[in-house]
Amino acid sequence: GAVVSQHPSWVICKSGTSVKIECRSLDFQATTMFWYRQFPKQSLMLMATSNEGSKATYEQGVEKDKFLINHASLTLSTLTVTSAHPEDSSFYICSARRGASTTYNEQFFGPGTRLTVL
Amino acid sequence: DAKTTQPPSMDCAEGRAANLPCNHSTISGNEYVYWYRQIHSQGPQYIIHGLKNNETNEMASLIITEDRKSSTLILPHATLRDTAVYYCIVRVAGNQFYFGTGTSLTVIP
Repeated sequence: GAVVSQHPSWVICKSGTSVKIECRSLDFQATTMFWYRQFPKQSLMLMATSNEGSKATYEQGVEKDKFLINHASLTLSTLTVTSAHPEDSSFYICSARRGASTTYNEQFFGPGTRLTVL
Repeated sequence: DAKTTQPPSMDCAEGRAANLPCNHSTISGNEYVYWYRQIHSQGPQYIIHGLKNNETNEMASLIITEDRKSSTLILPHATLRDTAVYYCIVRVAGNQFYFGTGTSLTVIP
């Protein structure tokens, strides 16, 4: 099956610093990747949709200037949490969509990145 | 995308079948039913999906009612490793996934 990786798996940073999280599709090309955030004991919340070569589309309530998304290649999307604060501490998960069919699309999830902001 | 309703939690004895229900009464004709599960602190894992017909794979079976307003995920022989949160999602192909609250399944020895 298709594999999606994330790096790092866990990051601890000081308040005010920026953190970059990478999402890679290892054995397929992904024109579209998605970023989710999950707080403890809650469900996944879609943050943004990232299309290769174009600007990301953010969900309502997600600050695009705080969560910078870059999808520069068909196998890599990055999420940068700028000026991170303790309330940004969360589990960040990406997923990558394989295929361009409009009938159905498989979507594969990464293992997640746990961000802790001190 | 249509919303789904799932029971918040369920228990199942190890070795028995786990039947997880999902209501999606507002599903439209071009929306698929997907099931994913998430084991603690991991990314969601794809289980199965379907449109109209019942589906079976090596992990589970998906039973969709004729009116498509509800479905049931069946894990035929639950093991302790099946303890996870199970998400039922309906969506138009190609659209984003919006996760509901899911069902926390606990498999009991």
